[in-house]
Amino acid sequence: SQTIHQWPATLVQPVGSPLSLECTVEGTSNPNLYWYRQAAGRGLQLLFYSVGIGQISSEVPQNLSASRPQDRQFILSSKKLLLSDSGFYLCAWTPGQRRVGPYEQYFGPGTRLTVT
Amino acid sequence: GQSLEQPSEVTAVEGAIVQINCTYQTSGFYGLSWYQQHDGGAPTFLSYNALDGLEETGRFSSFLSRSDSYGYLLLQELQMKDSASYFCAVRAVTGAGSYQLTFGKGTKLSVIP
Repeated sequence: SQTIHQWPATLVQPVGSPLSLECTVEGTSNPNLYWYRQAAGRGLQLLFYSVGIGQISSEVPQNLSASRPQDRQFILSSKKLLLSDSGFYLCAWTPGQRRVGPYEQYFGPGTRLTVT
Repeated sequence: GQSLEQPSEVTAVEGAIVQINCTYQTSGFYGLSWYQQHDGGAPTFLSYNALDGLEETGRFSSFLSRSDSYGYLLLQELQMKDSASYFCAVRAVTGAGSYQLTFGKGTKLSVIP
């Protein structure tokens, strides 16, 4: 069965510090991978998605970046955090080749980031 | 682009039935999904409609009318554990050929005794 991991679970970082969040998926190959951010009491905002190694598409211009160094690894980074970067960061995956049928995204447990 | 509207909060009594509506505007509609998220947790998939009509999964049902750009999630025999946020999401194809979801802002359901 497939499993998605995210770490760390919680993080408190000062403004201006760097950030690295990691997501890995087990039990599948060539998944599509996604990073979302959720502000308190709000919906999910898509930040980045990737259809393959080294292929990153950005949905929202910001001081965040993403990388996919391996097939099942997705990393979210920042060189200098802003207060507005606080939120709940969720990684998700879908099968890469599916074209029909129910479209399910499977979410990781999330990282709660507080920028102080 | 895509946009979705759903009520921000709904309160219902345990054992009752509640309907959460979702209207959407999208280019290139492929389907409407529903996700449940408990406080502090990750969203989990509930249901998906690609065609008009009702899909039933246990106590939960989801309806879609593509001509009206409208769908709803129906929860029957409400239980306290159903208290959570519910998100509708539309599916679209990206320029890279993958599918992505655009989520509504969520409806916070509170089930009261």
